[in-house]
Amino acid sequence: DGGITQSPKYLFRKEGQNVTLSCEQNLNHDAMYWYRQDPGQGLRLIYYSQIVNDFQKGDIAEGYSVSREKKESFPLTVTSAQKNPTAFYLCASSIETTGPYEQYFGPGTRLTVT
Amino acid sequence: KQEVTQIPAALSVPEGENLVLNCSFTDSAIYNLQWFRQDPGKGLTSLLLIQSSQREQTSGRLNASLDKSSGRSTLYIAASQPGDSATYLCAVRRSSYIPTFGRGTSLIVHP
Repeated sequence: DGGITQSPKYLFRKEGQNVTLSCEQNLNHDAMYWYRQDPGQGLRLIYYSQIVNDFQKGDIAEGYSVSREKKESFPLTVTSAQKNPTAFYLCASSIETTGPYEQYFGPGTRLTVT
Repeated sequence: KQEVTQIPAALSVPEGENLVLNCSFTDSAIYNLQWFRQDPGKGLTSLLLIQSSQREQTSGRLNASLDKSSGRSTLYIAASQPGDSATYLCAVRRSSYIPTFGRGTSLIVHP
């Protein structure tokens, strides 16, 4: 089955530790995205990548880093510099070479930092 | 900058009602509009995508319409069921730009 996988589903970390969230897709999509979702805030874009080895900052990139070494994979690292990392993180992908540019989402990772 | 608003923010209805969820956007130069459903603690599931050249799309009991000139889209849910309870989000996109999301409408359908 084609789709987007995110792992783990739940992640717990101590304050001050870096943590990496995994996102893999087998849809052969060009673009991949990371969003953060907090109650009452809606979706906020952290980073996106439209092509391998290239990525752009979104609205709230501070304290986060990404890499895009393979088309299928777009891991997100939450660093200790992120002041309030506890949130629900969503990965998405879309085809960018042709329309209709439909976006697909993974199941999400809930990160809790104490 | 595109802004997307969804009204109402929350809705509670008895089973069987026909519902209309609204999505409005400020910049009418869009390429497509996508409706999503999100269950608690889950990712977003794509329901319908309407391209700018289209007026509506239908899937089962769902019908989404688009009026670019007025900056509005509606999601119509016929004969609502408790299983329709979820948050519904719309996202608007220009061709090569990142989608802009609304904050969603939280729907509860009670038996």
